[in-house]
Amino acid sequence: AQRVTQPEKLLSVFKGAPVELKCNYSYSGSPELFWYVQYSRQRLQLLLRHISRESIKGFTADLNKGETSFHLKKPFAQEEDSAMYYCALRRSGNQFYFGTGTSLTVIP
Amino acid sequence: NAGVTQTPKFRVLKTGQSMTLLCAQDMNHEYMYWYRQDPGMGLRLIHYSVGEGTTAKGEVPDGYNVSRLKKQNFLLGLESAAPSQTSVYFCASSSPGQGYEQFFGPGTRLTVL
Repeated sequence: AQRVTQPEKLLSVFKGAPVELKCNYSYSGSPELFWYVQYSRQRLQLLLRHISRESIKGFTADLNKGETSFHLKKPFAQEEDSAMYYCALRRSGNQFYFGTGTSLTVIP
Repeated sequence: NAGVTQTPKFRVLKTGQSMTLLCAQDMNHEYMYWYRQDPGMGLRLIHYSVGEGTTAKGEVPDGYNVSRLKKQNFLLGLESAAPSQTSVYFCASSSPGQGYEQFFGPGTRLTVL
């Protein structure tokens, strides 16, 4: 079975503190992983994907095949980072699996 | 460009009623998806389509049907609504040319009484 697990439903950090949102996956093939974000009253949108290996809004995520993880990290959290974050896996055939989401609150 | 639009935005149904949710995209995307979002469950794929005239089952297809008669439209039907189908429904589209990034609609909030 292909699954995505986000163990934290809620995560609170202080402004300026580092933040890490965890994502683990199980997939027998070669995974393609994404992070999506949903800000308050906005649509769900792509934050970053592992293939691009880029930093978006200060966030990075590294695919660790050994640990089957794709954790999202940011060294200094900002208030505008408060949102719901979803980790997603794309399998062959273009079917997507999303995690249950982590609601991040950055405390001023 | 409007991107991905969904109609209606809100709907209340009684158990046993039927309805159709419409998703439209103006980006010429090949792939389209229907998800449901429930508290604590995240987004779960209901059905998807990899091209006009094709559909496939996702993770939670029971109680739903879909059609993709035109490339830009993807319809989700509920033939006999049940309270368990109370949810927020999201449509999305994507294209290989854009790295399969999913573009989401604003969502439809459906309540089944």
